[in-house]
This record gives sequence, C-alpha cells and structure tokens, in this order.
Amino acid sequence: QVQLQESGPGLVKPSETLSLTCAVSGASISSSDFYWGWIRQPPGKGLEWIGNIYYTGSTNYSPSLKSRITMSVDTSKSQFSLNLSSVTAADTATYYCARFRKAAAGDVGFDYWGQGRLVSVS
Amino acid sequence: EIVLTQSPATLSLSPGERATLSCRANESVKYYLAWYQQKRGQPPRLLISEASNRATGIPARFSGSGFGTDFTLTISSLEPEDFAVYYCQHRVDWRITFGGGTKVEI
Repeated sequence: QVQLQESGPGLVKPSETLSLTCAVSGASISSSDFYWGWIRQPPGKGLEWIGNIYYTGSTNYSPSLKSRITMSVDTSKSQFSLNLSSVTAADTATYYCARFRKAAAGDVGFDYWGQGRLVSVS
Repeated sequence: EIVLTQSPATLSLSPGERATLSCRANESVKYYLAWYQQKRGQPPRLLISEASNRATGIPARFSGSGFGTDFTLTISSLEPEDFAVYYCQHRVDWRITFGGGTKVEI
C-alpha cells in the first residue's frame, strides 16, 4: 500500500524558510514511472501546484514560486523535501505531497497523496 | 498559460440526482485532463485521468468526457458520500494547473 507522510514545523516566522519532508512507503521513489510533487491549499481555497521532482533530482517548479523554492530527493531514505524561502502570511496553507504518475502516452495524475501538513506563517 | 475554469462554483442537488460539472480550458489540452474529489479535511482523491479513464476503485457512477477545451464530470446518481469539492487538473510542459473547484452540496 502506497503511503506518503509529510513532516515539518507547523509554524514558521515571516521571512524565514518553510521546510517539509515527505516520506514514501509502499512504492519505489526511484521508479521511472513516477514524479513526486508538492501541492498547497490555503484555508478555504483551492489547490495550487508548487513543484515536482524526479528521482534523478530533476525539478519543475511553479513559475510564481520558482524564485523561492528548492526541492530535493533522498532515494536512500525514500523521501523528498521542499524548502520555501522568505515566507509571508500568504504562504499559510495545508501542504500536500503526492505521487504523479505518467502514462505511456499521457498522464494519470496525482494518484496518491499525503494527509497534508498545515503550516502557518506568523 | 493554460487556465482551467470550472462551473458552476456551487451545485446544490439531492441524493439520487445527476450532477454535471464543467471544466473549460482557454486553449486545447487535447484529452490531458484529470478530475479529483476532495472531502472536508481530506486530501484530494484522483477520480478520472485522461478525460475519461476512471482511476482504480472509482465507482462507475463517475464518468468523464470531453476533448480540447470543454470537459464534463458526471455523477449519474449522487450518493451521500459524493457531496464534496471537485477539481480538474492539466499538465503541459511540466506546468500543472488546477481549476478553481466546484462544490457539490445538498
């Protein structure tokens, strides 16, 4: 059974760096079929894609957040991480990690999600 | 930039009724569109991929259709557990976009 679990501080001060880690179990983080992503959701609002990382370390970031994001992967620990710098109150959200599955000729989508980590900036 | 517009924002229906949700793209996305369901306090759940392929374990009352710019998620007969928020999603050149969501309420 595939499981993803976010961990990290639930409270971050303005101008500091938000750091989260996602532990993956039940699937190989090194599989060529999957990308690993972060999505966030401000309270009462919709979903916003933050970025994806491949097991090789190749990354893709949201253009609106690109200047503040760093993602990394540790295949030996089966986990990947998100750093978001210079946070403000607008970065307060539930942060989800998720697995993005590609199909042969297209995409399946985010097929497994963590439960989410509420991070408040204050 | 691909923009996904979902309508209506809120759909008020009763159990047993048919729900029709729309997702419109500002340019063609071919059939590369997914749908998710999110219940309060839970992460989203993948329902449909590539416009019309039900994900594993998704009941047959959920169906997706469309191509190009206009897509529809249909719930043929609403069950009590189907009242939730639904999002569409697309990826192009590794830029992933979500629609704003449709809330299906009783």
